[in-house]
Amino acid sequence: DSGVTQTPKHLITATGQRVTLRCSPRSGDLSVYWYQQSLDQGLQFLIQYYNGEERAKGNILERFSAQQFPDLHSELNLSSLELGDSALYFCASSGQGDGELFFGEGSRLTVL
Amino acid sequence: GIQVEQSPPDLILQEGANSTLRCNFSDSVNNLQWFHQNPWGQLINLFYIPSGTKQNGRLSATTVATERYSLLYISSSQTTDSGVYFCAVEYAGNTPLVFGKGTRLSVIA
Repeated sequence: DSGVTQTPKHLITATGQRVTLRCSPRSGDLSVYWYQQSLDQGLQFLIQYYNGEERAKGNILERFSAQQFPDLHSELNLSSLELGDSALYFCASSGQGDGELFFGEGSRLTVL
Repeated sequence: GIQVEQSPPDLILQEGANSTLRCNFSDSVNNLQWFHQNPWGQLINLFYIPSGTKQNGRLSATTVATERYSLLYISSSQTTDSGVYFCAVEYAGNTPLVFGKGTRLSVIA
């Protein structure tokens, strides 16, 4: 158990819909990262938050947005879903020390 | 940007065999981690190893930062070692962790 909690574990929805993925980081970790793993693209960095502020942005689509709340949990919002958004979405967290990342179990999104 | 290359892409082993997985990176790194993604999709931390050598049971890892590579050794492999092994690096300057494409390992009984 990495200490990072993600919900839901599985989600099936239709094209055009909107979903929210939730992540609770390890206790005390201020940084939260979101990654997308699809079959043809591997593990791709989406976005990072540090103590509520956006720290870095990767190849995140405009239809996607994220935020980190005062209690440090984070949400990834995916809207106007397309078939190609089907993927495993990982959240990770790290502390203030060496920067080692710990990953949650992922949320598997299927868009039909 | 920083590139992370892993080899081999696929590996099939008989149970009990040893293996070496390689990760090449293209520039100075702050952080290098090895992960195992099991058949259920979970990403499990194996090593945080920006330099030096570490061992954990049957697994060990070595990173030679000056030559820009890291090696993951698996000894006496077991079927539960099957899955995909990822190397991920953080470029100096606090860029996000970049993953290689992984090595898919299948251990056969």
